[in-house]
Amino acid sequence: GESVGLHLPTLSVQEGDNSIINCAYSNSASDYFIWYKQESGKGPQFIIDIRSNMDKRQGQRVTVLLNKTVKHLSLQIAATQPGDSAVYFCAENYNQGGKLIFGQGTELSVKP
Amino acid sequence: EAQVTQNPRYLITVTGKKLTVTCSQNMNHEYMSWYRQDPGLGLRQIYYSMNVEVTDKGDVPEGYKVSRKEKRNFPLILESPSPNQTSLYFCASSWTSGSYDNEQFFGPGTRLTVL
Repeated sequence: GESVGLHLPTLSVQEGDNSIINCAYSNSASDYFIWYKQESGKGPQFIIDIRSNMDKRQGQRVTVLLNKTVKHLSLQIAATQPGDSAVYFCAENYNQGGKLIFGQGTELSVKP
Repeated sequence: EAQVTQNPRYLITVTGKKLTVTCSQNMNHEYMSWYRQDPGLGLRQIYYSMNVEVTDKGDVPEGYKVSRKEKRNFPLILESPSPNQTSLYFCASSWTSGSYDNEQFFGPGTRLTVL
């Protein structure tokens, strides 16, 4: 069936470098995408979202890029800090319905 | 403090013994949802509710029931738990679903073990 997946299950970066976390989605009808951060022992936390009528959206130190042609979503974190170490999930939604489909997650590890 | 609370946080039970995991939010959110999280499978949606008395199945509803009699509460019921329902469960809420900057707040999680 339709699913959201990630290219890389783990990512290790040096403190201060930029991080890029990728996500592939297969449901071309999905029109809303969200990135979540989950720290160890905690529930997921909303980071940023984007609708399908946009290609890019920026937040504080984070940017989400959406490429609908290849059904690809990415999260860029600028100047990665140790506090950014966590598992990052992408999720997709269709037509403001209640269903939310999550990817498997990418673990980001930041080396000091 | 705006939050989603879940109880209990940890539960060990035996096969077939009915249990309820409570979820409550104090933000007057219309949308609430339950997820389970398993290693290698990420978060999977069990049930969601768009508003009071409105519930619908997610991707993995088998073996679970929910109710939404009032806006703040959304309990998850396991009528006859089985070992394959051993998992980490999260409840979440938001104003609505699928809208911009519609932050979904997650509870702290309930670790359930079914023996």
